[in-house]
Amino acid sequence: EAQVTQNPRYLITVTGKKLTVTCSQNMNHEYMSWYRQDPGLGLRQIYYSMNVEVTDKGDVPEGYKVSRKEKRNFPLILESPSPNQTSLYFCASSPPGLWAYEQYFGPGTRLTVT
Amino acid sequence: KNEVEQSPQNLTAQEGEFITINCSYSVGISALHWLQQHPGGGIVSLFMLSSGKKKHGRLIATINIQEKHSSLHITASHPRDSAVYICAAITGNQFYFGTGTSLTVIP
Repeated sequence: EAQVTQNPRYLITVTGKKLTVTCSQNMNHEYMSWYRQDPGLGLRQIYYSMNVEVTDKGDVPEGYKVSRKEKRNFPLILESPSPNQTSLYFCASSPPGLWAYEQYFGPGTRLTVT
Repeated sequence: KNEVEQSPQNLTAQEGEFITINCSYSVGISALHWLQQHPGGGIVSLFMLSSGKKKHGRLIATINIQEKHSSLHITASHPRDSAVYICAAITGNQFYFGTGTSLTVIP
């Protein structure tokens, strides 16, 4: 089944404790992206990757890191999480020709930083 | 500054009604993306369009590039259409999202 998976789905952590949210897709998609969703602000793009070893900042990259060492995986790293990073996070992927094809979203990861 | 504005924010309709959700954007775009977010939180793509009109079942999406405006129409609405509908402008390789329209369809 074609899908985007994220782990963990729920995470409660404390300020400053490094964490990684994994994202994996099995569709051989080149484009992958991370978003956060907050009430009243909607979805905002954090980082995206056009292909392996090619990543770029989105609208709200501060406090986040990403890597794309393999085509299928695009982990999101919070090296020193803070309470303002409490949010619902989505990973998504898309075939090449971004403007022609729809994105496939993961199920979301709800992160709480205390 | 919001590059993408949606209206209305909330919408309640009776089953069977024709529904229109509007999306205006201020940036130059490669395409516009309509998404549906289910009450459980999952997000699915509905349409990606860069011109004209697309139709899938009871859903129709239109875009007017000159006016920087897109609409999502739902014909013969049904309670299972209750969800949040989100538009996103694609400029370069980045996505800019509206804050969503929460639709409730009452039986």
